[in-house]
Amino acid sequence: DTEVTQTPKHLVMGMTNKKSLKCEQHMGHRAMYWYKQKAKKPPELMFVYSYEKLSINESVPSRFSPECPNSSLLNLHLHALQPEDSALYLCASSRKPAFDRASTYEQYFGPGTRLTVT
Amino acid sequence: AQTVTQSQPEMSVQEAETVTLSCTYDTSESDYYLFWYKQPPSRQMILVIRQEAYKQQNATENRFSVNFQKAAKSFSLKISDSQLGDAAMYFCAYPLFVGANSKLTFGKGITLSVRP
Repeated sequence: DTEVTQTPKHLVMGMTNKKSLKCEQHMGHRAMYWYKQKAKKPPELMFVYSYEKLSINESVPSRFSPECPNSSLLNLHLHALQPEDSALYLCASSRKPAFDRASTYEQYFGPGTRLTVT
Repeated sequence: AQTVTQSQPEMSVQEAETVTLSCTYDTSESDYYLFWYKQPPSRQMILVIRQEAYKQQNATENRFSVNFQKAAKSFSLKISDSQLGDAAMYFCAYPLFVGANSKLTFGKGITLSVRP
């Protein structure tokens, strides 16, 4: 099973709302990632979790708050978003965090959550 | 700085023909991996092929193969016998190491259309 699932598929929220995105994998992967992707653009890394600990935060605004409750689950909590935050949010996982070239593992992506902020 | 460049924003190919998507990268490393990812419209991104820089042999996965020129820092993807399902956005990617972690650096992507 090489599946990463994400819920919901679509989300429309107002600028004052609080919502959460969920990502799940059951492949035993120990690195998980959140990306933001605008139309016709490459994904932009937001956060990396390694062994359930936040290891990379790409200077993401605090209105995005990640959480990794266990090794299979990754959440992204959203609060007071702006219309420019509308995008496709992708979750990905890899077998392990790669700390050297000999241990680079490919990332498996979920289908994404299409977020619209009104 | 490590960068990945895909200079062709769009390409088109006739069904059953062969097409080559270009990618160049810049790195000071000698040993690394390179990836091609495919993202069909409204569908999830999947790994197409990966190349290990220390291997001389070009990677091949069924109809997909790479032309890896390490000295030229070029990593092209060749799609043979193109099918309608190959229509997608293709991203070349290089893993950049930051401390004890890695993050993928993507090219801008290329949109491939397949003409029936």
